[in-house]
Amino acid sequence: GAGVSQSPSNKVTEKGKDVELRCDPISGHTALYWYRQSLGQGLEFLIYFQGNSAPDKSGLPSDRFSAERTGGSVSTLTIQRTQQEDSAVYLCASVSPTGVGTDTQYFGPGTRLTVL
Amino acid sequence: GNSVTQMEGPVTLSEEAFLTINCTYTATGYPSLFWYVQYPGEGLQLLLKATKADDKGSNKGFEATYRKETTSFHLEKGSVQVSDSAVYFCALSDRVSGSARQLTFGSGTQLTVLP
Repeated sequence: GAGVSQSPSNKVTEKGKDVELRCDPISGHTALYWYRQSLGQGLEFLIYFQGNSAPDKSGLPSDRFSAERTGGSVSTLTIQRTQQEDSAVYLCASVSPTGVGTDTQYFGPGTRLTVL
Repeated sequence: GNSVTQMEGPVTLSEEAFLTINCTYTATGYPSLFWYVQYPGEGLQLLLKATKADDKGSNKGFEATYRKETTSFHLEKGSVQVSDSAVYFCALSDRVSGSARQLTFGSGTQLTVLP
C-alpha cells in the first residue's frame, strides 16, 4: 500500500478482555516495529520484526503482550487480560530494506486503545 | 543506554516568530538523528533527519544540525506559521541487533503558533 495502515483506529475494551491490533506495513518493507505512546511514558519501543522473526522483544512490558508477523507482511499485537494501564496509542512503523532510507521508520496512524 | 532529552513545552509563539526546540542525546554508538512531527489527530511523520556528524537535515523551512561535540540536534525555523502547530519529537536511531535500529524518542514538545 501507499503507507502503513493500522486497524482498528480506536478500540474500547473492558478490563480483562483480550485485544488484537493489526499493522499492515508498506509493501516491500521487511522490518516492522511496534511502539506505544502513552501520557505517562511518552513513546516506548515494544518489539521489532525482521521478516517473520522477532529478534528483539525487550520492550514488551509484560507476558500479557505478544506479537506475530506472517508472510513477512501483516503483524498482529495481542494484549491478553487487558489492564487500565494498557490504555495508549499503539504505533506501528516499517523500514525499507535497502537504499538511503534504511534507517527511516514510516509510521502508521496508530490504534487508540482504551481499557475501561 | 541511549536517551534523548528535549525542551519541555508547551511552546507558544506568534506567527513569523523564530523557533528553536532544543534536543540533546546520549548514545553509545553513532546514531542517526531525527525530528518527527505529530499534527493534531494524525500519526507521526518524519520531518527531517541527519545520519552523521555535521550533517544538516532540512524540510519545510525547518533545519537541524547534527553536533557530535555537543551531542545536540536542535530544531530551528526562521518564521513559523499557524500550520506548524503540532507536537515535535526528537529521536535517535541506534543499532539493536543485526540491521535493526530501534528509535529512542524524547518526550515531545507541543508547539502552538498564534495568528
